[in-house]
Amino acid sequence: EDKVVQSPLSLVVHEGDTVTLNCSYEVTNFRSLLWYKQEKKAPTFLFMLTSSGIEKKSGRLSSILDKKELFSILNITATQTGDSAVYLCAVLNDYKLSFGAGTTVTVRA
Amino acid sequence: DAGVIQSPRHEVTEMGQEVTLRCKPISGHNSLFWYRQTMMRGLELLIYFNNNVPIDDSGMPEDRFSAKMPNASFSTLKIQPSEPRDSAVYFCASSVRQGAYEQYFGPGTRLTVT
Repeated sequence: EDKVVQSPLSLVVHEGDTVTLNCSYEVTNFRSLLWYKQEKKAPTFLFMLTSSGIEKKSGRLSSILDKKELFSILNITATQTGDSAVYLCAVLNDYKLSFGAGTTVTVRA
Repeated sequence: DAGVIQSPRHEVTEMGQEVTLRCKPISGHNSLFWYRQTMMRGLELLIYFNNNVPIDDSGMPEDRFSAKMPNASFSTLKIQPSEPRDSAVYFCASSVRQGAYEQYFGPGTRLTVT
């Protein structure tokens, strides 16, 4: 059975801090790894990673994939209160997204 | 683009009643997914359609659940009869096509069965 494990389950930081979220996986027919942000509503797409070692960036968020060690990290620098959310990691095989349990990030002013 | 559209946004019903959730995928997207999210189990795939054809329904919990996609712009998820343990948020998502393409989620339907 496909498995996606995220850590930590939750963390609390102060504005301006940097956070690193981890995602490890075991999945058959791996196609790509996706990160989503969920704030009390639908998950919104952040990144899709398909190749190892290539960092994807969007503003203060960045992510990288290691297909040899089967993990990905999501970094958020200079955190803001608006970054408070659940961050979901999901792995895509041929068509199916398998989600991790998520990491709840709380950014305090 | 309007994004994935779901209705209703909230549904409260009594145990035993039939519930129908509706979804309109993003125009031009050929793949549609129904997910369920609960605190206990997180986000789980219920069923996947490609070009209006159900490809994988192994996540459908039991026979009380059924889904249809009569055309490329509309899908339904029906629960009959509903039970309190069906209470969850049900998301519909769509992607351009099968394969390594991101899935975009609708706003979800929060279902409460009393």
